[in-house]
Amino acid sequence: AQTVTQSQPEMSVQEAETVTLSCTYDTSESDYYLFWYKQPPSRQMILVIRQEAYKQQNATENRFSVNFQKAAKSFSLKISDSQLGDAAMYFCAYKLGSGGSNYKLTFGKGTLLTVNP
Amino acid sequence: DTAVSQTPKYLVTQMGNDKSIKCEQNLGHDTMYWYKQDSKKFLKIMFSYNNKELIINETVPNRFSPKSPDKAHLNLHINSLELGDSAVYFCASSHTGVRNEQFFGPGTRLTVL
Repeated sequence: AQTVTQSQPEMSVQEAETVTLSCTYDTSESDYYLFWYKQPPSRQMILVIRQEAYKQQNATENRFSVNFQKAAKSFSLKISDSQLGDAAMYFCAYKLGSGGSNYKLTFGKGTLLTVNP
Repeated sequence: DTAVSQTPKYLVTQMGNDKSIKCEQNLGHDTMYWYKQDSKKFLKIMFSYNNKELIINETVPNRFSPKSPDKAHLNLHINSLELGDSAVYFCASSHTGVRNEQFFGPGTRLTVL
């Protein structure tokens, strides 16, 4: 079974600084997708960024970028120029890329990010 | 213009009661999901429906019964509620296919006393 591990329960960053959240995963599959979701205090789950395993290029979305190391099964999220609104719980998630209709997301336990003014 | 909506947003009830949570999406998606987020914030899939057919059932107790009357709705009925059922329940939807993003509802916080 696939597992996702986030080893940092909590992280903090100064406003305008850069922070990196770690995620590792375990899978025997070669075709899969990886995601970072943000959950602010409002509870809403918001997709931040996604990465297809077959793509070597790291995904970027404005201030958010990932470092995808397929061989090491590592998928870290870098937030540049951190803003107060970035404060939230961040979840790393995995989805199998093939094999019928099993499209479930498998989540890590989350990293709570605090942004200090 | 809410994409995925859930009702109610909060639900407080006594042990042993039966309750339902409703989910509706207006995105034209054909796959819907229920996830459970426990008190430690851990999110786990419970069920998934594709075109009204159950395709994922992740060893959830029989007291939980999802029902999909049409592609836009997926309801969750819980019988004989237990203290351990207290959690936030999220509905999500997507188009069929692994490439497609799942859109989440706002969640329903269920508290069993």
